[in-house]
Amino acid sequence: KQEVTQIPAALSVPEGENLVLNCSFTDSAIYNLQWFRQDPGKGLTSLLLIQSSQREQTSGRLNASLDKSSGRSTLYIAASQPGDSATYLCAVNDYKLSFGAGTTVTVRA
Amino acid sequence: EAQVTQNPRYLITVTGKKLTVTCSQNMNHEYMSWYRQDPGLGLRQIYYSMNVEVTDKGDVPEGYKVSRKEKRNFPLILESPSPNQTSLYFCASSLYTGTSQETQYFGPGTRLLVL
Repeated sequence: KQEVTQIPAALSVPEGENLVLNCSFTDSAIYNLQWFRQDPGKGLTSLLLIQSSQREQTSGRLNASLDKSSGRSTLYIAASQPGDSATYLCAVNDYKLSFGAGTTVTVRA
Repeated sequence: EAQVTQNPRYLITVTGKKLTVTCSQNMNHEYMSWYRQDPGLGLRQIYYSMNVEVTDKGDVPEGYKVSRKEKRNFPLILESPSPNQTSLYFCASSLYTGTSQETQYFGPGTRLLVL
């Protein structure tokens, strides 16, 4: 069974600092990996999807890397802003999505 | 606008009273699924469907039923709700390539309280 772990569980940084969020998974036979953002009491918004054949994917200030062989992905958020405060979830797709528990980010103004 | 809609958004009910949470998507996606989200347990898949009339159990299917009679709709049915089904429920949809799903789109969530 796929196990997905996100470390740290929570992170607080001052505005402008770069954010580094980690995701690890136990079974490397995956199709793709997605990063989501969830605001309190709200649904999930997809940020980035990385196919298993890709090493990284970028969208604006966001960059996600994937090292399938070691079972790791990292989400980088450059120059953080208070609006980036949210919970970030990674989900691994082997034949279904398995989610990590998330990293709750607070960006202090 | 491309979206996944769920109704109701909030529901308080009593043990044993049958309820249905509706889910609809307007993106012609083949794949639809239901998740529940609980503190400390994260998101867990309840049921999924790869196309019309094709459904299968996820990680936590006990106490739930689903049906997929049309491509756009995927209702979640609780025949006899119990307090341990109090949770935040999400419906999601995506394209299905034949081997995997693509980007998942989530509904806004349904917060259910079973007394």
